[in-house]
Amino acid sequence: DGGITQSPKYLFRKEGQNVTLSCEQNLNHDAMYWYRQDPGQGLRLIYYSQIVNDFQKGDIAEGYSVSREKKESFPLTVTSAQKNPTAFYLCASSIRPKRVGYTFGSGTRLTVV
Amino acid sequence: DAKTTQPTSMDCAEGRAANLPCNHSTISGNEYVYWYRQIHSQGPQYIIHGLKNNETNEMASLIITEDRKSSTLILPHATLRDTAVYYCIVRVENYGGSQGNLIFGKGTKLSVKP
Repeated sequence: DGGITQSPKYLFRKEGQNVTLSCEQNLNHDAMYWYRQDPGQGLRLIYYSQIVNDFQKGDIAEGYSVSREKKESFPLTVTSAQKNPTAFYLCASSIRPKRVGYTFGSGTRLTVV
Repeated sequence: DAKTTQPTSMDCAEGRAANLPCNHSTISGNEYVYWYRQIHSQGPQYIIHGLKNNETNEMASLIITEDRKSSTLILPHATLRDTAVYYCIVRVENYGGSQGNLIFGKGTKLSVKP
């Protein structure tokens, strides 16, 4: 079945370490997105990519980096520059940029201790 | 910032219809109304979207007022599994720029009770 896979589901890291969250989709979607969600809050856009080898900053890109070397993959790196990295991270994809609904992954809960 | 206003929370009895309102008084002519829901600790799930006509699918119905300044998502026979946060989002349909990105507010927390 087609879908979007995020791994791992839970991730623990020490403060000051970089960590990379995986997002893979087999839906042949062009666009991919990373959102962050804090408790009781809505989703905030970190980065998005409309095509391979291209990506744009969202509303809260500081302290994060991404790459889009393959259509299927859009990994997110949470760097040590991100002041409050503990959050629930969600990856999504869509058929074309801004078209129809998004498909979301099941999320990665990152805890920095 | 989100362009929509939703109640923070609502309750609904199991088996009854759940009617979730959304205000989007500044909606533009080329903006669609989208509804997503998020069950605790999962990714959001697309429910339905519409421009100006009422829409229905296997999950829900979307009623948009004639002036398009508000809409209502209807779950006709709510079950306990419909307990979730429901997000109402407006966005344009285009292929460039950032205007079409989904912007999530805090949504409405719907609790379906036995």
